[in-house]
Amino acid sequence: KQEVTQIPAALSVPEGENLVLNCSFTDSAIYNLQWFRQDPGKGLTSLLLIQSSQREQTSGRLNASLDKSSGRSTLYIAASQPGDSATYLCAVVTGAQKLVFGQGTRLTINP
Amino acid sequence: EPEVTQTPSHQVTQMGQEVILRCVPISNHLYFYWYRQILGQKVEFLVSFYNNEISEKSEIFDDQFSVERPDGSNFTLKIRSTKLEDSAMYFCARSRTRTDTQYFGPGTRLTVL
Repeated sequence: KQEVTQIPAALSVPEGENLVLNCSFTDSAIYNLQWFRQDPGKGLTSLLLIQSSQREQTSGRLNASLDKSSGRSTLYIAASQPGDSATYLCAVVTGAQKLVFGQGTRLTINP
Repeated sequence: EPEVTQTPSHQVTQMGQEVILRCVPISNHLYFYWYRQILGQKVEFLVSFYNNEISEKSEIFDDQFSVERPDGSNFTLKIRSTKLEDSAMYFCARSRTRTDTQYFGPGTRLTVL
């Protein structure tokens, strides 16, 4: 059974810092990996999708990497801003089409 | 990002009552999903739907749950007899293909009293 773990559970950094969020998964047989952002009481906003054949994807200040063989992904956020404060979720798609989510990392950027 | 809408945004119901949650389609998105998130817990997969059939469902998706596209447009999740433990945020998601980005709606907060 696929399990997704995110470390740390919470992170607080000053504005302007670069930071890395970690995601690990137990079964490397995935189709893709998605990173989402969730604001309190809100829905999920897709940030990046990495297909299993890819190593990384970039969107603006965000860069996500994927090492399928070791079951790891990282989300790098450059020059963090207070508006980046949210919970960041990692999820993998298995052969069953479903997304399996991690618990998330709650990120706080302090002005 | 393609917009996915859900109605209602908040539903309060009595235990044992039936509820129907609705999701409005994006054209050319053929794959549909329902997920739920109990407060403070992970987002959990419920069911995926393609070509008017369920393609995958989780152990949570028991006989109390059903999905359909009644008019080929809206995508609905029905809970026949709600329980207290059904209280959660329910998210609809859609994707163009089975391995493409899944886009989520804003969710329906279901409160069962």
